[in-house]
Amino acid sequence: GENVEQHPSTLSVQEGDSAVIKCTYSDSASNYFPWYKQELGKRPQLIIDIRSNVGEKKDQRIAVTLNKTAKHFSLHITETQPEDSAVYFCAASTGGGADGLTFGKGTHLIIQP
Amino acid sequence: GAVVSQHPSRVICKSGTSVKIECRSLDFQATTMFWYRQFPKQSLMLMATSNEGSKATYEQGVEKDKFLINHASLTLSTLTVTSAHPEDSSFYICSAMNEGAEGYTFGSGTRLTVV
Repeated sequence: GENVEQHPSTLSVQEGDSAVIKCTYSDSASNYFPWYKQELGKRPQLIIDIRSNVGEKKDQRIAVTLNKTAKHFSLHITETQPEDSAVYFCAASTGGGADGLTFGKGTHLIIQP
Repeated sequence: GAVVSQHPSRVICKSGTSVKIECRSLDFQATTMFWYRQFPKQSLMLMATSNEGSKATYEQGVEKDKFLINHASLTLSTLTVTSAHPEDSSFYICSAMNEGAEGYTFGSGTRLTVV
């Protein structure tokens, strides 16, 4: 089955700086790669996703890049703000709604004021 | 947008008893629902895939007789934790894919504490 590795487990950056979180996956059949932000005790919130027919996607301060050949994808957050502090999870799926998500272990992002 | 309602949000039960968790898709039909478990400070792990009108598919290592899943209609899936023990204490969360929406919609989760 799919295996998703996520790094780093903890990331501390100064407010206003950029943060990058990286994930690799093992199943070449995976074609849907979402990123979630989760606050303690709450449901994961989708912040951005990318499908395998696209190499990069951007939404304001958040961007995701995908390298299908290398089987890795990354989350980029620019101009970080205190409210960006949370746990972020990457995930992979074959998409289509028939398969569930395989999650990475998560990254605790800390924005230092 | 697509909404999945999950109840209860919190439940405390005694060891040996059973607990039922419900997930309803409110404004769309969910042929397939997914059940995840999340232990404190850990990631979400897929437990099983629930298919309307058929048996659920369980991930390796998940006991099907302990975690009973029923998906009797296109809008309701239930997870029953049978003979719960303290090690079953966890955050259980469901999700569904809405064809009209992008991505998977998650329920709000159920915090189960077994004492």
